[in-house]
Amino acid sequence: EPEVTQTPSHQVTQMGQEVILRCVPISNHLYFYWYRQILGQKVEFLVSFYNNEISEKSEIFDDQFSVERPDGSNFTLKIRSTKLEDSAMYFCASMTPEKLFFGSGTQLSVL
Amino acid sequence: AQKVTQAQTEISVVEKEDVTLDCVYETRDTTYYLFWYKQPPSGELVFLIRRNSFDEQNEISGRYSWNFQKSTSSFNFTITASQVVDSAVYFCALREYGGATNKLIFGTGTLLAVQP
Repeated sequence: EPEVTQTPSHQVTQMGQEVILRCVPISNHLYFYWYRQILGQKVEFLVSFYNNEISEKSEIFDDQFSVERPDGSNFTLKIRSTKLEDSAMYFCASMTPEKLFFGSGTQLSVL
Repeated sequence: AQKVTQAQTEISVVEKEDVTLDCVYETRDTTYYLFWYKQPPSGELVFLIRRNSFDEQNEISGRYSWNFQKSTSSFNFTITASQVVDSAVYFCALREYGGATNKLIFGTGTLLAVQP
């Protein structure tokens, strides 16, 4: 079965640093997503991306966050100046009408 | 607004017991999809099932079965003869049909611990 690939699997950064989380969605999918899961909590929607632009974003997705699909294959989430509360597992996903395919996640730890 | 409630935070059973995980949802849409995902200790989200709002037939897949009751807005998940490998967090999720984003709204999850 095709896969959504996320790199790195773990990222440790200092507070205030910029991080870029990378994802390669499934190639013929059109909708792309980032979700976040703080340890022990539910999976929360961050942003959706369709037709090379953001189609919806949650309240969590403030000015510190941005997404890009720079080359038609990669889909990145950038956090400009990380805060301690950004520590979480970040999941990328892409979608067919039938189901949402999740990547295996990037565990971000902000120290 | 969409909402998914999983009232059971944690369930502990002994191997071979049957266990039911509850899911109650709220939506104003008449067309929507319901999902269950499994999150093992390794952290990935494993797709289990998708059910659309027009199809109220119960579904069985091996030891797993799902009971969709539109009248009570519930989509419960039963594991028969549970095994230690079933230990995980299980998330129920809702997606409205035809929205701008088709985003999933997740419940808070139920941690299932199956003891040998």
